Amino acid sequence: QVQLVQSGVELKKPGASVKVSCKASGYPFPIYGLHWVRQAPGQGLEWMGWISPSNGHTIYTQKLQGRLTMTADTSTSTAYMELRSLTSDDTAVYYCARVVNSLTTAPGYWGQGTLVTVSS
Amino acid sequence: EIVLTQSPGTMSLSPGERATLSCRASQSLTSNYLAWYQQKPGQAPRLLIYGASIRATGIPDRFSGSGSGADFTLTITSLEPEDFAVYYCQHFTTSPYTFGQGTKLEIK
Repeated sequence: QVQLVQSGVELKKPGASVKVSCKASGYPFPIYGLHWVRQAPGQGLEWMGWISPSNGHTIYTQKLQGRLTMTADTSTSTAYMELRSLTSDDTAVYYCARVVNSLTTAPGYWGQGTLVTVSS
Repeated sequence: EIVLTQSPGTMSLSPGERATLSCRASQSLTSNYLAWYQQKPGQAPRLLIYGASIRATGIPDRFSGSGSGADFTLTITSLEPEDFAVYYCQHFTTSPYTFGQGTKLEIK
């Protein structure tokens, strides 16, 4: 079955960077696009971007452009999300999510989430 | 940027009742590229509907999506206790693929 397993909790200081991993299994990794979505404490969902693991093509929200990098390693079936110059506003649970099928861009398989806390 | 506005913000209903949730886009969505999710506390979102009206695998048929253009609806017929959660819509027309702010469905 499709599984996305994310890396663990991160505590970072303002100005630092964080890199969250998302290891996929149960399907051919290059075929399906992956989204990254975050959720600040008590808040709604925020779409961050999308990556095609087959060719590395990315789409980022302009809000995070310049601070965000998404990559995918097809040899290990792992996607990565790196966010730089962290502030307290980046404190959130970060999710990776795979598109549900080839007919849509909607993510139907989600990782368990990674809590990133930014605090001095 | 396309803004999705969900209404109401909170809905109080009883099990067995019908829920109608609205998602309105600031501009028409191409090919009905709209999805609905359910999220419970401490859990990742769960995809319910994509393409505005296509139920994801394993989603009970009491959940249905409808609408086109800029107005979309998620209907839950005969609410079950496990349906009380927060619901989000999301579009995929142009980047950024924004979410609505959510509708909290609570037990009356």
